Amino acid sequence: DAMVIQNPRYQVTQFGKPVTLSCSQTLNHNVMYWYQQKSSQAPKLLFHYYDKDFNNEADTPDNFQSRRPNTSFCFLDIRSPGLGDAAMYLCATSIDRGLMNTEAFFGQGTRLTVV
Amino acid sequence: SQQGEEDPQALSIQEGENATMNCSYKTSINNLQWYRQSSGRGLVHLILIRSNEREKHSGRLRVTLDTSKKSSSLLITASRAADTASYFCATASSGSARQLTFGSGTQLTVLP
Repeated sequence: DAMVIQNPRYQVTQFGKPVTLSCSQTLNHNVMYWYQQKSSQAPKLLFHYYDKDFNNEADTPDNFQSRRPNTSFCFLDIRSPGLGDAAMYLCATSIDRGLMNTEAFFGQGTRLTVV
Repeated sequence: SQQGEEDPQALSIQEGENATMNCSYKTSINNLQWYRQSSGRGLVHLILIRSNEREKHSGRLRVTLDTSKKSSSLLITASRAADTASYFCATASSGSARQLTFGSGTQLTVLP
């Protein structure tokens, strides 16, 4: 049973046209993360939520925003996608903010293409 | 910034052989985790080893951790074609352990 669900699996958007990626979880975890993964590279953390507390990474572009309306859902908004934003976007959750003794649970990812 | 580097970047072996992947990291950690990613999919957690542990086993997986050398290895024994995937190490730092910082990954191909 899928526990972290990302929709859609594939998204094509036009250059400059706002796009929203969705993530939902059935685990009731406190922490939700968004990672960006470009081809053949390591996932790179964009930001995370601890409950409603939003934590942005220092080098995450302003073009990327996030919303978490409730425990189960988290959204990634790209305000003006550029060609360089084409990537796999991974949502993950964890029960422990510090990841001290627990792992992160990842969704299947949304592959974003910008045309 | 990227915490870990993995070695080798790519590994190709025959089914039944063992595969060893190495990971090095830079800062003090609370734990180190290994994840697997099949082509075009999300990451799946394989195993977590704490900083006070030296070795851990899970099925055909064996992980070692050397905190003095800031390195870890993942051994997959008796590999199968279904093990073909990218393998990433990820560290949860002891300072601000709110996130996982991933290494660059090893692409493993197991030939039938």
